Amino acid sequence: AQSVTQPDIHITVSEGASLELRCNYSYGATPYLFWYVQSPGQGLQLLLKYFSGDTLVQGIKGFEAEFKRSQSSFNLRKPSVHWSDAAEYFCAVGLSGGSYIPTFGRGTSLIVHP
Amino acid sequence: GAGVSQSPSNKVTEKGKDVELRCDPISGHTALYWYRQSLGQGLEFLIYFQGNSAPDKSGLPSDRFSAERTGGSVSTLTIQRTQQEDSAVYLCASSLKGGGPHEQYFGPGTRLTVT
Repeated sequence: AQSVTQPDIHITVSEGASLELRCNYSYGATPYLFWYVQSPGQGLQLLLKYFSGDTLVQGIKGFEAEFKRSQSSFNLRKPSVHWSDAAEYFCAVGLSGGSYIPTFGRGTSLIVHP
Repeated sequence: GAGVSQSPSNKVTEKGKDVELRCDPISGHTALYWYRQSLGQGLEFLIYFQGNSAPDKSGLPSDRFSAERTGGSVSTLTIQRTQQEDSAVYLCASSLKGGGPHEQYFGPGTRLTVT
């Protein structure tokens, strides 16, 4: 079964600083990859997804992620963080074939200091 | 357009009571998913519906948990004889189709507290 690891439980950055949230997965073939954001009291919102093609994926709100097959990683980046980016971020991995139900990581809580 | 809605938003119940959680998916979405989110945990998959059928219910933690979907739309997750470990946020999501890597749209969740 596939697994998803988000090694950082909390990340603190200053507003305007760059951000990288890590995500590693365990699966032999190329999975489908997602990043979701959850603001307090809200449901999850899709930031971006990777299915195939260009390994650098652009998403909403200025986020991007890069799929690196050799490292089994799909790290989320943003060049300049805004205070409104403070939220919980979830990486998810979908298995091709079957029901494609994604497995979610435990999440990384982003704290933004002014 | 309207997104995924869930009701109630909060539910406090006594241990041993039954609860029903409701999910209204986006109109036209054939796939519906239930997840459980416990404090500090990721999303735990519970059950997946394609139409009114549940081809994958492997995530239901015990036989106290059940779910149904009617008319290819509304879904109800029922927890019988609730236990304190059932306390969590229950999230519902829908997607246009199942059986593929389709984007899931999430509701705001129902926070269940079992006292």
